Amino acid sequence: QVTLKESGPALVKPTQTLTLTCTFSGFSLNTNGMRVNWIRQPPGKALEWLARIDWDNDKFYSTSLRTRLTISKDTSKNQVVLTMTNMDPVDTATYYCARIPTGSDVFDYWGQGTLVTVSS
Amino acid sequence: DIVMTQSPDSLAVSLGERATINCKSSQSVLYSSNNKNYLAWYQQKPGQPPKLLIYWASRRESGVPDRFSGSGSGTDFTLTISSLQAEDVAVYYCQQYASTPYSFGQGTKLEIK
Repeated sequence: QVTLKESGPALVKPTQTLTLTCTFSGFSLNTNGMRVNWIRQPPGKALEWLARIDWDNDKFYSTSLRTRLTISKDTSKNQVVLTMTNMDPVDTATYYCARIPTGSDVFDYWGQGTLVTVSS
Repeated sequence: DIVMTQSPDSLAVSLGERATINCKSSQSVLYSSNNKNYLAWYQQKPGQPPKLLIYWASRRESGVPDRFSGSGSGTDFTLTISSLQAEDVAVYYCQQYASTPYSFGQGTKLEIK
């Protein structure tokens, strides 16, 4: 059974760095073709893809946010970590992690998301 | 980057009637090498993460009712719900996965008339 779960602070102050962890089970990021993504959604707004990390440690980022994002993995812990620097109130959103399985290119499993509010 | 634009932004349809949502990409998401359109549709209900409905523009994900269908190629795509059910009330998103950065449409909110 595939599951993903996001964790991290619910509240961060402007200019701080956000660190989010996606802990997953039911698959391995050591498996050829497996990928994990971060996607966010401001309240009442659309989905925005942020970053992807692949089984071979290739990394891909949103064009507009790439200077602020870092994605990494710890395969021994089944975790993917996203850091976002210089947080701003416009970064208030629900942050999701989602899997792209081997042999596919779409997000088949998503976590429930974690709401991050940026406020002083 | 590929920009995805959906229409309409919101839609109200009577139960049992057809609902049609359109999606347009700023550049083609059709790969000539395999003749596949890298376009997916997701359904999102309040308080839930998105759920994959359609991929390769027209292939239904396992377990998705056959009243949901996708069509289109290149830059223009359509999601059709043939006979709207109450449980289909949701926001629908198209997404291109032809290239990173991946991108979603702005969403279409579907309600019951």
